[in-house]
Amino acid sequence: EAGVAQSPRYKIIEKRQSVAFWCNPISGHATLYWYQQILGQGPKLLIQFQNNGVVDDSQLPKDRFSAERLKGVDSTLKIQPAKLEDSAVYLCASSLGFPGGGGTDTQYFGPGTRLTVL
Amino acid sequence: AQSVSQHNHHVILSEAASLELGCNYSYGGTVNLFWYVQYPGQHLQLLLKYFSGDPLVKGIKGFEAEFIKSKFSFNLRKPSVQWSDTAEYFCAVKNYGQNFVFGPGTRLSVLP
Repeated sequence: EAGVAQSPRYKIIEKRQSVAFWCNPISGHATLYWYQQILGQGPKLLIQFQNNGVVDDSQLPKDRFSAERLKGVDSTLKIQPAKLEDSAVYLCASSLGFPGGGGTDTQYFGPGTRLTVL
Repeated sequence: AQSVSQHNHHVILSEAASLELGCNYSYGGTVNLFWYVQYPGQHLQLLLKYFSGDPLVKGIKGFEAEFIKSKFSFNLRKPSVQWSDTAEYFCAVKNYGQNFVFGPGTRLSVLP
């Protein structure tokens, strides 16, 4: 079974530039998550999709971050404009997904995209 | 809101030593509990999970964790560590209807 795919693996940009990350979840997984992991910290949820709808984006800095999952499969996360503090690993994860958020839902993570903002 | 703490930032052990990594969460109710591991250069992988039933959960590679509801804890254990267990370990908690919350992680270094 193929895992969660992400690209690019590494990205270096200057502050105020734009950047986009791509994620392709495990086939059949309805739920897709984007996390931000700053060095030395645990992953922090940015946004969760159930199919192509947003379930939770309460921690997404909406003035500069956006995400979409138009066809309910792959997803893109964009930062525009980037700030120095956005330097982090951006992780995508997917799970089968259960209505109401309960149940035995296990996340599977991709390799992440390491973003460096100079 | 839920928060997760992990007792140790960095643990250094010799091979064959026993391991216990602490994890505590702040908010009770119905919880699903997870331990993830990230080996150097690899992505996060599920080590074990607790949903219900027996509070002692066994995972891959000889790891186990015990859910103690009264203490809001889900500590990870292994009786004898190996050099290949060197990694970062993350505890995560999910309340029903809410999202996953991860702890800050514990870095384990096992000396050969």
